[in-house]
Amino acid sequence: GIQVEQSPPDLILQEGANSTLRCNFSDSVNNLQWFHQNPWGQLINLFYIPSGTKQNGRLSATTVATERYSLLYISSSQTTDSGVYFCAVDLFGNEKLTFGTGTRLTIIP
Amino acid sequence: NAGVMQNPRHLVRRRGQEARLRCSPMKGHSHVYWYRQLPEEGLKFMVYLQKENIIDESGMPKERFSAEFPKEGPSILRIQQVVRGDSAAYFCASSPTHGYTFGSGTRLTVV
Repeated sequence: GIQVEQSPPDLILQEGANSTLRCNFSDSVNNLQWFHQNPWGQLINLFYIPSGTKQNGRLSATTVATERYSLLYISSSQTTDSGVYFCAVDLFGNEKLTFGTGTRLTIIP
Repeated sequence: NAGVMQNPRHLVRRRGQEARLRCSPMKGHSHVYWYRQLPEEGLKFMVYLQKENIIDESGMPKERFSAEFPKEGPSILRIQQVVRGDSAAYFCASSPTHGYTFGSGTRLTVV
């Protein structure tokens, strides 16, 4: 099956810092999404981004499908950004998401 | 437009009891996907259902687990004779036009 790897596994930053999270995947994908799982366990959909670049406030994401990676950028980090960030992909004709290993982000006031 | 609704949010069962988890997809959607998240891990696919049909159950454990999505009412994930290893968060999702939207999950604790 498809492999999805995320880096770094853990990231601790001061409030106000910027960060880049990476997702590598091993095959051509139909769908790629970034999720934020907050400390209460809720899974929040950040971006649907199988290719290209999108921005939403302090967050933006870029997927380079031909090179099989995606990046999530968080600028001016806030404590509420803490949690685990997952990327997840599915394949053409196969409607089941494979989740990456996650990046645990901790923002220190 | 309500999102994906799951209940209960928390469920405690003793070993050997049955657990029933419910999921109603987004309004107008007839596809439901169930995922399991063990502690400190990512989500793993379990089963994909349409109304009255199981489309893909390749991620379901062979024993004690079953899922259904009847013509009327929510999808049900049923775990019989629960064991401590079943303790996890169970999420369901539906799939609007672009991407998947997840419910808030049910956290099952087996004591």
